Amino acid sequence: AQRVTQPEKLLSVFKGAPVELKCNYSYSGSPELFWYVQYSRQRLQLLLRHISRESIKGFTADLNKGETSFHLKKPFAQEEDSAMYYCALGGGSNYKLTFGKGTLLTVNP
Amino acid sequence: NAGVTQTPKFRVLKTGQSMTLLCAQDMNHEYMYWYRQDPGMGLRLIHYSVGEGTTAKGEVPDGYNVSRLKKQNFLLGLESAAPSQTSVYFCASSWQRGDEQYFGPGTRLTVT
Repeated sequence: AQRVTQPEKLLSVFKGAPVELKCNYSYSGSPELFWYVQYSRQRLQLLLRHISRESIKGFTADLNKGETSFHLKKPFAQEEDSAMYYCALGGGSNYKLTFGKGTLLTVNP
Repeated sequence: NAGVTQTPKFRVLKTGQSMTLLCAQDMNHEYMYWYRQDPGMGLRLIHYSVGEGTTAKGEVPDGYNVSRLKKQNFLLGLESAAPSQTSVYFCASSWQRGDEQYFGPGTRLTVT
């Protein structure tokens, strides 16, 4: 069975501080990992996916298969980063993505 | 391109009433999904479809039915609404299985 765990429901940091949102997964196949972001009362948007290895809005995430993790990082948080972040797992023969429960990030001025 | 659209945006139902939520996508995606989003529960998959004329159950299918008569549309029905179905409903679509999903703006449903 596949599972995604985001251990922090809430994360609060000050503007300019580094931020790391944790994501661990359980999957026997070859995983595809995604981070989605949802700003207040808006639709979910793809932030980044591990195969693209991009940096979006200053965020990066590295897939660590040994630790089965896909943590999201940003060196200097901005107030506009305040949002709900979801980690999602797909790949292989899966028709669907499995989402974590989400982490609500608040960046304080 | 409008992407993924949902109607209605808001709805209030009384217990026992029925309604249908419509999801439409103009990206020619094969796969479509219905989720519900509840505080502390994240996104939970209700039903999904891997192509026109197909549907399958997700994690929380009870109390809901779906139909995919046309490739671009995915309908979610509540036959007899219950307060436990108060939630925000999101539709999504994707090109390939397990791939990036594109989400609609959501429907906020309250059942009293």
